Amino acid sequence: DQQVKQNSPSLSVQEGRISILNCDYTNSMFDYFLWYKKYPAEGPTFLISISSIKDKNEDGRFTVFLNKSAKHLSLHIVPSQPGDSAVYFCAAKISNFGNEKLTFGTGTRLTIIP
Amino acid sequence: GAGVSQSPSNKVTEKGKDVELRCDPISGHTALYWYRQSLGQGLEFLIYFQGNSAPDKSGLPSDRFSAERTGGSVSTLTIQRTQQEDSAVYLCASSFGTGGTEAFFGQGTRLTVV
Repeated sequence: DQQVKQNSPSLSVQEGRISILNCDYTNSMFDYFLWYKKYPAEGPTFLISISSIKDKNEDGRFTVFLNKSAKHLSLHIVPSQPGDSAVYFCAAKISNFGNEKLTFGTGTRLTIIP
Repeated sequence: GAGVSQSPSNKVTEKGKDVELRCDPISGHTALYWYRQSLGQGLEFLIYFQGNSAPDKSGLPSDRFSAERTGGSVSTLTIQRTQQEDSAVYLCASSFGTGGTEAFFGQGTRLTVV
């Protein structure tokens, strides 16, 4: 049972344009969401997060949008840069039961075309 | 160290042998996670430790897998009688635990069972 889904395994975007990565979840108990970026042969690195009490969080070129009614979140990267080419994972957790287990999606491989 | 440290970085073992993977979390982090990523797959949750609470072992794929965390710090993931399907990158992460905080990952241990 995949509770966090990233339905696009890959995405190619022209440098300078906006990259939009999508994530859907099924468990309505999730109340905290995170995006991680992973380069080959490295561990995932944290990018940005959002609490369920918000619908938007922005950090520089990265913005995460949360639509709770649709159980959908997205990561916007603008402008996209070649160094953004990586695999992006969406993750979710329930933060109020003392178990901070993160449930990850399957990832989207983003390729920025120079 | 400043980050999560995992050892070894690479491990090749013969089918049927036991292996131990080590994780040194960030100092002060009370939560520790083990995930694995098989080739072309997402991040699969294995086990979660939070302080002195009983670990969440719900992700361990079989009774050949076990993990312990001594003194609330270093963790060891043990795989007994390894099988070829155990080949994957094993990732450890740590965080401050409860609340909206992110988990920081190590670089992983690439396990190859031949």
